[in-house]
Amino acid sequence: GAVVSQHPSRVICKSGTSVKIECRSLDFQATTMFWYRQFPKQSLMLMATSNEGSKATYEQGVEKDKFLINHASLTLSTLTVTSAHPEDSSFYICSARNYASGGPQETQYFGPGTRLLVL
Amino acid sequence: AQSVTQLGSHVSVSEGALVLLRCNYSSSVPPYLFWYVQYPNQGLQLLLKYTTGATLVKGINGFEAEFKKSETSFHLTKPSAHMSDAAEYFCAVSVETGNQFYFGTGTSLTVIP
Repeated sequence: GAVVSQHPSRVICKSGTSVKIECRSLDFQATTMFWYRQFPKQSLMLMATSNEGSKATYEQGVEKDKFLINHASLTLSTLTVTSAHPEDSSFYICSARNYASGGPQETQYFGPGTRLLVL
Repeated sequence: AQSVTQLGSHVSVSEGALVLLRCNYSSSVPPYLFWYVQYPNQGLQLLLKYTTGATLVKGINGFEAEFKKSETSFHLTKPSAHMSDAAEYFCAVSVETGNQFYFGTGTSLTVIP
């Protein structure tokens, strides 16, 4: 099956610094990628939809200036948490849609997640 | 708007017993429905999905789910629980014209030896 990778898998940073998380589709092209956030013992909440070559679409309540998303190529989307604070500590998961499979939108593959801890 | 409700945040079953995890959805258009499993500190793994066609869908690891439109439900079952089934399970809904997934709050499954 299709593989989506995330890097890094874990990151610890100081409050006030910025952290970049990469999401890559390894064996398919993904014109659309999604970023989710998961708090401990809670469900995944969609943060934004990342479209290759255009601006990301953010869900209500998500600060676009704090969570910068760039989808510069068909296989890479990045999420940058700017001026991170302890409340940004969370598990961030990306997913990517594989259009080339000829399938509809249900062919969405999830990355393994990135755990961010802000001290 | 779409939403998912998972009844029971924690479910415990004995090894070998039936597993039943409940999921009800709300959707203004015909839904696509999914069940994902998440092991600790890992991402999501697709168990099964319903898009169109047969309402009883079979997935990996012996799991299956039945789409019941009249009940707006998509409950996940497995006839005999195994220790390795202990994990967090998420039900999700998506729609034809959109592409976001809306997840339920998850159900933590514990399997008692």
